[in-house]
This record gives sequence, C-alpha cells and structure tokens, in this order.
Amino acid sequence: DGGITQSPKYLFRKEGQNVTLSCEQNLNHDAMYWYRQDPGQGLRLIYYSQIVNDFQKGDIAEGYSVSREKKESFPLTVTSAQKNPTAFYLCASSLGSTFDFGNGTRLTVT
Amino acid sequence: AQKITQTQPGMFVQEKEAVTLDCTYDTSDQSYGLFWYKQPSSGEMIFLIYQGSYDEQNATEGRYSLNFQKARKSANLVISASQLGDSAMYFCAMREGHRGSTLGRLYFGRGTQLTVWP
Repeated sequence: DGGITQSPKYLFRKEGQNVTLSCEQNLNHDAMYWYRQDPGQGLRLIYYSQIVNDFQKGDIAEGYSVSREKKESFPLTVTSAQKNPTAFYLCASSLGSTFDFGNGTRLTVT
Repeated sequence: AQKITQTQPGMFVQEKEAVTLDCTYDTSDQSYGLFWYKQPSSGEMIFLIYQGSYDEQNATEGRYSLNFQKARKSANLVISASQLGDSAMYFCAMREGHRGSTLGRLYFGRGTQLTVWP
C-alpha cells in the first residue's frame, strides 16, 4: 500500500540535543513538506521540497534543517537552536491536487 | 493577512443532524484549490474533500459537501447526518495554483473542533 511513513510516533529528547525525524513516501510524489502543529493552532510550514536536492524555507524554518537526497525521503532535523521544539510534526507529500499526510511524530524536549 | 480564516473554534451538533463549518480564504490568484481535512485525537490528517477554483459544481464526497461561493471567497464544509465518529478537529486549507501543478504549499486555518452528541 502506498503512503507516507513517519517514525517514530513519539520521540523524547533532552534540551540541547539535535534530533532527526524520518519521513518516507512510496507514492512517487515530487513535492514533500514538513509542518509543525502546536495545541490550538493550525499547521505551520517549516520546509518544503519540490524536487530532489532542492528545498525552500517555509514560515518557521529557524532552528530546523532538512535534506532531500532521494525522492522518497525528506528527513527533518530539529537543532538545539530551535527555542520551542516540543510539538507535533507532520510530513506531507503532493502530486497535482493530491496532498497526503503521514501520521505525525510527537516530539517532547525536556 | 490570514490566508485561511476559520471563525468557529468549536461547534456542537446532535447526531443525525447536519452541520456547517465555515471557512473564508484570501488570495489574488485566479487558480487555487481548497481542501478540508479531519484530524481525530490520534493526530492523523484525513483528507475529506477538494474544490478547485475553476470547478463549476460544488464538490461532494459521501456525507461531505463543500459550499463554494467564489465571490464571497468562502468554502464551507457541510456534513450531513452527523455521526459520533465525526467528532474531531476540522481544518480548511488552500493551495495557490493547481491544475496539476506540483507547486504550492498548503495554507491552513486554525481549525474547528466539532463535537457530535447523541
């Protein structure tokens, strides 16, 4: 079955550590996205990528980094520079008018 | 300026009744797409319905329909015959430039928490 896999579902880290969230898709979609969701808020765009080896900053890119070495994969690194990293992170991919999401990773930093 | 506005933080509806969730959008593009997603407490985003700006008919998918009023820039979601399982957060989103284009991120509203009571 085609879909978007985010792992792990829950992630716990100590403050000051970098952490990488995984996102893999087998939908053959060109574009991939990372969104952040905080309680009571909509989704905010962190980074997106239209093609391999290219990506653009979204609205809240500070403290995050990404790579797009393969079409299927778009990992997100939450660096120690991100002031409030605890949040729910959603990865998405799209082709045409289709826009699909993974099940999300809930990151808690203490 | 907000691209997507959802003015109802919470809505309540009795089972089997219909409910309308409001969404207005702001864009100067002629070509755009409007999406509605359902997010249950487990967190996944479930696609419900899509309306393209050039689509002449209002989109329908089972119990979901989209009341698209282009001049008013509104794209309200109508859920008919509500079920207890419809209780969730609902997000309206817009993508500028569709017609097969892979460009364009989704802009989201803040969501409406729908509660269906028996």
